[in-house]
Amino acid sequence: DTGVSQDPRHKITKRGQNVTFRCDPISEHNRLYWYRQTLGQGPEFLTYFQNEAQLEKSRLLSDRFSAERPKGSFSTLEIQRTEQGDSAMYLCASSPERKGLGERTQYFGPGTRLTVL
Amino acid sequence: RKEVEQDPGPFNVPEGATVAFNCTYSNSASQSFFWYRQDCRKEPKLLMSVYSSGNEDGRFTAQLNRASQYISLLIRDSKLSDSATYLCVVNPLGNTGKLIFGQGTTLQVKP
Repeated sequence: DTGVSQDPRHKITKRGQNVTFRCDPISEHNRLYWYRQTLGQGPEFLTYFQNEAQLEKSRLLSDRFSAERPKGSFSTLEIQRTEQGDSAMYLCASSPERKGLGERTQYFGPGTRLTVL
Repeated sequence: RKEVEQDPGPFNVPEGATVAFNCTYSNSASQSFFWYRQDCRKEPKLLMSVYSSGNEDGRFTAQLNRASQYISLLIRDSKLSDSATYLCVVNPLGNTGKLIFGQGTTLQVKP
């Protein structure tokens, strides 16, 4: 399977614990995005990497959230001191960086569903 | 005001019906527009891009009105398999490529 993969697919944790999610983008896609989706809402942008550089962060990304993409390939999203409001689906997407409308297509992974008890 | 607004529905239609979804966006500088489809508890998948001149892909037709900041999706001859949530998506600035999603419109096609 050459699509975007995410791990784990499901995570249940207790409030106050730290969690880390991993995303493996499509090979050679240099752009990587994290989104969060809550029930009944569309995905909301969290952050964006071009290669290893984190170029944009949403105001939604509080100090408890940190994302990395150390070698420009896979990325991790860590949430520290989780809160019940962090319960959501965390989606990763990747896209190539070529010009043109078609090349802006983002391909999404299956997501990590986080439940904070 | 949300950046991208959609009627969440649900739209309940019989098989074979024609159904239309609308969406408005607030940022007039937006550059790219898409419709994504999301099945229950699955990831969003690109259905089609939306071009200024309007475009069609089989039973699906998308239109863009930049002056009114309005996007539409028309589905003809609905199939049971069309049941899903349809997300209106806007790329407000071309450089980063981040996507702004609407709330989604739920379609249920019934036999």
